[in-house]
Amino acid sequence: AQSVTQLDSQVPVFEEAPVELRCNYSSSVSVYLFWYVQYPNQGLQLLLKYLSGSTLVESINGFEAEFNKSQTSFHLRKPSVHISDTAEYFCAVTKVNAGNMLTFGGGTRLMVKP
Amino acid sequence: NAGVTQTPKFRILKIGQSMTLQCAQDMNHNYMYWYRQDPGMGLKLIYYSVGAGITDKGEVPNGYNVSRSTTEDFPLRLELAAPSQTSVYFCASRPGGRRIGNTDTQYFGPGTRLTVL
Repeated sequence: AQSVTQLDSQVPVFEEAPVELRCNYSSSVSVYLFWYVQYPNQGLQLLLKYLSGSTLVESINGFEAEFNKSQTSFHLRKPSVHISDTAEYFCAVTKVNAGNMLTFGGGTRLMVKP
Repeated sequence: NAGVTQTPKFRILKIGQSMTLQCAQDMNHNYMYWYRQDPGMGLKLIYYSVGAGITDKGEVPNGYNVSRSTTEDFPLRLELAAPSQTSVYFCASRPGGRRIGNTDTQYFGPGTRLTVL
């Protein structure tokens, strides 16, 4: 079975500062990797995903994540955050070609302060 | 499209009561899912369905039941509510068929906050 660890439950940061949200996973087989964002009182929305190819993937709102197979990590970064990025971020994995189950990490609450 | 809709948004139950959480999607998605979200624990899969008439257990199915009589609807039933079922419940759906695999994005509803006292 796979597992996902998000090392930081909360990350406070000032507006326009850079941020990194850490995600490590454990799996005996190849996986697909996802970052979902949950704004207050809303459901989860896909932010970006890694399926294959380039290990650096980007979202439309300036976030990026890099798949590092040797370190089994998929950290999320943004060079300059905005107040509107305040949300909870979830890292998730699913086994390649092996069913429908997404395994989620515990989430990281990003708090952007003015 | 309304996307994935869930009702009710909030509910308080007494121990032993039963209820059905409703979920509907208007995107003609084959796959539908029910998750529960506990504080600091991420989301855990309760049940899922790959199409009308087909359901299967996820990671934490005990205490719940589902049915999928149509493509659009995927209700979740709690028969004997317990305090351990206090959680936020999310329904999700995704397109795709068996040949495509599991790379498609899951689309989530806004959630139902359930408290069992």
